[in-house]
Amino acid sequence: DAGVIQSPRHEVTEMGQEVTLRCKPISGHDYLFWYRQTMMRGLELLIYFNNNVPIDDSGMPEDRFSAKMPNASFSTLKIQPSEPRDSAVYFCASSSTRQGAPSPLHFGNGTRLTVT
Amino acid sequence: AQSVAQPEDQVNVAEGNPLTVKCTYSVSGNPYLFWYVQYPNRGLQFLLKYITGDNLVKGSYGFEAEFNKSQTSFHLKKPSALVSDSALYFCAVREGGGFKTIFGAGTRLFVKA
Repeated sequence: DAGVIQSPRHEVTEMGQEVTLRCKPISGHDYLFWYRQTMMRGLELLIYFNNNVPIDDSGMPEDRFSAKMPNASFSTLKIQPSEPRDSAVYFCASSSTRQGAPSPLHFGNGTRLTVT
Repeated sequence: AQSVAQPEDQVNVAEGNPLTVKCTYSVSGNPYLFWYVQYPNRGLQFLLKYITGDNLVKGSYGFEAEFNKSQTSFHLKKPSALVSDSALYFCAVREGGGFKTIFGAGTRLFVKA
């Protein structure tokens, strides 16, 4: 089990640029979550998917943020255009109903985004 | 809407002493409760969960948590702290039947040798 894989680990970009964060969930997991962690706001749920379908995107801060899950093994979180206040650590997590409810979340090691 | 409160930003304890990290929650239905730990530059790792049944739940690394429905609390405990337990601890809640998981602000635990 390779765990949840996120890329890149670090991203530094300039304000106004497009940023794409990537996530590969654990094979067989049917839920995928995107969280953002900052000192000021803690861990915020941005969006989550079930069987590749977005279920709740109420945490997505603005239209500049979008997330997709084209298949069961890949998801992206895109920010366009990026702003300095988007600087944070972005985590992807996956979970499986087949483990028995309620199954815990399995987190990747995150992408640290810095927007200058 | 569900919510989680961790009233302490930081907990300091001496190695070998018992530790408690506090958590209270609010949900409209039956709660599913979790504790996670985060080490520097890493993602969160699952420690333990409460679904139903016995109010004392045992988890990884000697940790346990006590569910108290009347006080809507789910405090994390360990009888004897280790220096290696020093990390950031998160309490999380999920309403029964749903998958949306909300996390508390986190409590930083320092265990001094």
